[in-house]
Amino acid sequence: GAVVSQHPSWVICKSGTSVKIECRSLDFQATTMFWYRQFPKQSLMLMATSNEGSKATYEQGVEKDKFLINHASLTLSTLTVTSAHPEDSSFYICSAPQGVSGNEQFFGPGTRLTVL
Amino acid sequence: AQSVTQPDIHITVSEGASLELRCNYSYGATPYLFWYVQSPGQGLQLLLKYFSGDTLVQGIKGFEAEFKRSQSSFNLRKPSVHWSDAAEYFCAVGARGNTPLVFGKGTRLSVIA
Repeated sequence: GAVVSQHPSWVICKSGTSVKIECRSLDFQATTMFWYRQFPKQSLMLMATSNEGSKATYEQGVEKDKFLINHASLTLSTLTVTSAHPEDSSFYICSAPQGVSGNEQFFGPGTRLTVL
Repeated sequence: AQSVTQPDIHITVSEGASLELRCNYSYGATPYLFWYVQSPGQGLQLLLKYFSGDTLVQGIKGFEAEFKRSQSSFNLRKPSVHWSDAAEYFCAVGARGNTPLVFGKGTRLSVIA
């Protein structure tokens, strides 16, 4: 199956700094990628949809100025958490649809962010 | 609105016993249904999926799920659980096209000897 990678797999940063997380589709092109957030012992919640060549769309309650998304190419989307705070500590997972109908979703392995 | 309900937060079964994890969905159109497994600190692994056709779907690791449209359910089953099956299980629903998935809250499976 198709492979989606994320980098870094884990990151620890100080409060107030910015962190960039990369999501790459390794063997297919993805015009759309999705970013999810998973707090401890909770489910995955969609944060935003990353669209190649256009602005990302954000779910209600997600601050677009805090979570900057850039779909730089057909294989790369980045999520930048700006001025991170401890409450942003979470597991961030991206996915990319692939296949004839676009509904074969392939998930990255996730990025664990800890903000001190 | 789309939603997925996993009524059981935590289930404990004995090794070798059978397992059924429940999933109910609410969806306006024909749903695409998925079951994922997640070990602590890890990403998601797809167990199986249902798009159309045979309503009994076989997946990896000996899991199967049955789509019942009349009950809006997509329950996951395994005839004999192994200790390595202990993990968090998520049911998810999606639509045709490049759309995100909606996840249930998950069911944590514990396996005892």
